[in-house]
Amino acid sequence: GAVVSQHPSWVICKSGTSVKIECRSLDFQATTMFWYRQFPKQSLMLMATSNEGSKATYEQGVEKDKFLINHASLTLSTLTVTSAHPEDSSFYICSARDLGGLETQYFGPGTRLLVL
Amino acid sequence: QQQVKQSPQSLIVQKGGISIINCAYENTAFDYFPWYQQFPGKGPALLIAIRPDVSEKKEGRFTISFNKSAKQFSLHIMDSQPGDSATYFCAASSNTGNQFYFGTGTSLTVIP
Repeated sequence: GAVVSQHPSWVICKSGTSVKIECRSLDFQATTMFWYRQFPKQSLMLMATSNEGSKATYEQGVEKDKFLINHASLTLSTLTVTSAHPEDSSFYICSARDLGGLETQYFGPGTRLLVL
Repeated sequence: QQQVKQSPQSLIVQKGGISIINCAYENTAFDYFPWYQQFPGKGPALLIAIRPDVSEKKEGRFTISFNKSAKQFSLHIMDSQPGDSATYFCAASSNTGNQFYFGTGTSLTVIP
């Protein structure tokens, strides 16, 4: 089956620092990757859609200058939380859609971010 | 505006019982309906999915029932087991768009 990895799985950082999260599709190519944020016991909140080689499309209310997304290749997208603050603490999950035309999104295991 | 409405929010079922989770949508352009299972601290995993050209799809103990005219679909978990305890999300998408629209999730607890 399609596998998506995320790194790191958890990170603790000081307020004001930047954190980069990587999302990789391991056994398929993904033209589109998605970044979600999830608060405890809540649904997935789409932050942005990332297309390989082009700028990401951000959802309303998501600051593109704070959450920098780069989709440099068909297997890698990165999310950088810049100048992180405690309110950015959350569970960040990426997903990828198979270039081969499969309809579904395959999710990574998530990254737990705690900003002190 | 919630594109996909999911109920119930939480569900408690006895081991061996049937768990039923329902979802409804409005956009008739949706043509792909997956269900995801999420354990605490993990990413969602695809469980089963259906397209509107069939009314039912079964994989093991998991069945999706789809009612196109009512714009509803549901997940049935037969012979529910404690290991099925997780949060379940329904979703919908159309082939003209990238985005998946997720339901609000159902927390399932299967008690021994």
